[in-house]
Amino acid sequence: ETGVTQSPTHLIKTRGQQVTLRCSSQSGHNTVSWYQQALGQGPQFIFQYYREEENGRGNFPPRFSGLQFPNYSSELNVNALELDDSALYLCASTTGGDEKLFFGSGTQLSVL
Amino acid sequence: GESVGLHLPTLSVQEGDNSIINCAYSNSASDYFIWYKQESGKGPQFIIDIRSNMDKRQGQRVTVLLNKTVKHLSLQIAATQPGDSAVYFCAEKRPGGYQKVTFGTGTKLQVIP
Repeated sequence: ETGVTQSPTHLIKTRGQQVTLRCSSQSGHNTVSWYQQALGQGPQFIFQYYREEENGRGNFPPRFSGLQFPNYSSELNVNALELDDSALYLCASTTGGDEKLFFGSGTQLSVL
Repeated sequence: GESVGLHLPTLSVQEGDNSIINCAYSNSASDYFIWYKQESGKGPQFIIDIRSNMDKRQGQRVTVLLNKTVKHLSLQIAATQPGDSAVYFCAEKRPGGYQKVTFGTGTKLQVIP
């Protein structure tokens, strides 16, 4: 186990709705990043948070947003859901000075 | 463009044999490479990493080889076991202030008992 927990494990939404996914990082890890993994593909970087600030972003539109809290837990918010947003959303944590990522098991989001 | 690609989508190996999973990367600026294992229903699990100033690194039953001349990375698994069945991703990271890791598509390893 990596110590990174995500909730919920599965979620079904309809197009146009909004969703919030949650992540609790491993103890002592102050950096959290989010990835989207479509079926049969590798994870794609969405963004990273360090000390409650977004400090890196991949090629995702602004309707993908996030938060990091003082206890280093994190949320991923997606507005105006589209069918193509259906994917496994992964959270990974690490310390600021370590490049090794520890992933949670993900939230499987289905948009109908 | 930016890409990390794998040569084979599926690899079938007899139990006890050695497995070799290959990966090509395109960005010469990448300085850190990682192999992850992903089992069904789980997130990627770190296996082994290597920096660009090295060409070989060994772990427990696993070895990563890096050839910067041809931008090629490989993962060797010795004495492959049924528990090694999973999807394997190579990933790369360029120097920078944040942790953007670029993953390839993945290779599915099937171990035949």
